[in-house]
Amino acid sequence: DVKVTQSSRYLVKRTGEKVFLECVQDMDHENMFWYRQDPGLGLRLIYFSYDVKMKEKGDIPEGYSVSREKKERFSLILESASTNQTSMYLCASSSPQGIQYFGAGTRLSVL
Amino acid sequence: AQSVTQPDIHITVSEGASLELRCNYSYGATPYLFWYVQSPGQGLQLLLKYFSGDTLVQGIKGFEAEFKRSQSSFNLRKPSVHWSDAAEYFCAVGATGGGATNKLIFGTGTLLAVQP
Repeated sequence: DVKVTQSSRYLVKRTGEKVFLECVQDMDHENMFWYRQDPGLGLRLIYFSYDVKMKEKGDIPEGYSVSREKKERFSLILESASTNQTSMYLCASSSPQGIQYFGAGTRLSVL
Repeated sequence: AQSVTQPDIHITVSEGASLELRCNYSYGATPYLFWYVQSPGQGLQLLLKYFSGDTLVQGIKGFEAEFKRSQSSFNLRKPSVHWSDAAEYFCAVGATGGGATNKLIFGTGTLLAVQP
């Protein structure tokens, strides 16, 4: 089974802190994704990566950056957390056939 | 541009009743179509997918979906709902062949409640 692991289920941070969300997949997938999920808005793509050190902006990249130094790991970085970044963050990796596999999510609260 | 519409934000059904969740998509070619389910506090789990071939696809947990090109729809169905089916359901569309990045566009979700 494909396993996508997000390092934290719940995080509480203060405004202005630098926040790292980590995601690891074990299927040697090329493509990885970060989404944020908010009620009524569904999943919105923040960033994706199609290879090591390669990344592209999604629909809502403002306030976020990403890092992919190794194929299995894709990190989302909030340079200076703000209250409007309180949300559920979901990481996914994609098989060559286009099926996305998701982690359990990280619920981030920024106070 | 690709888009996915799930017109029902919230649906309540009785346990044992049949279920149909609607999904309409906008895409210029034959899309890849997916249904995912999300239990409270969890990530998304793939229920089923359509790539090509038979337009009626079977998935896990007794779900099925039918691709109707003429209606640009991919509705999810289950003949008899169980209390454990209470969850949020997401329809998604991807570029045929996956493309260079396998990006998906998700609908806004339908929250299913099951009454005893």
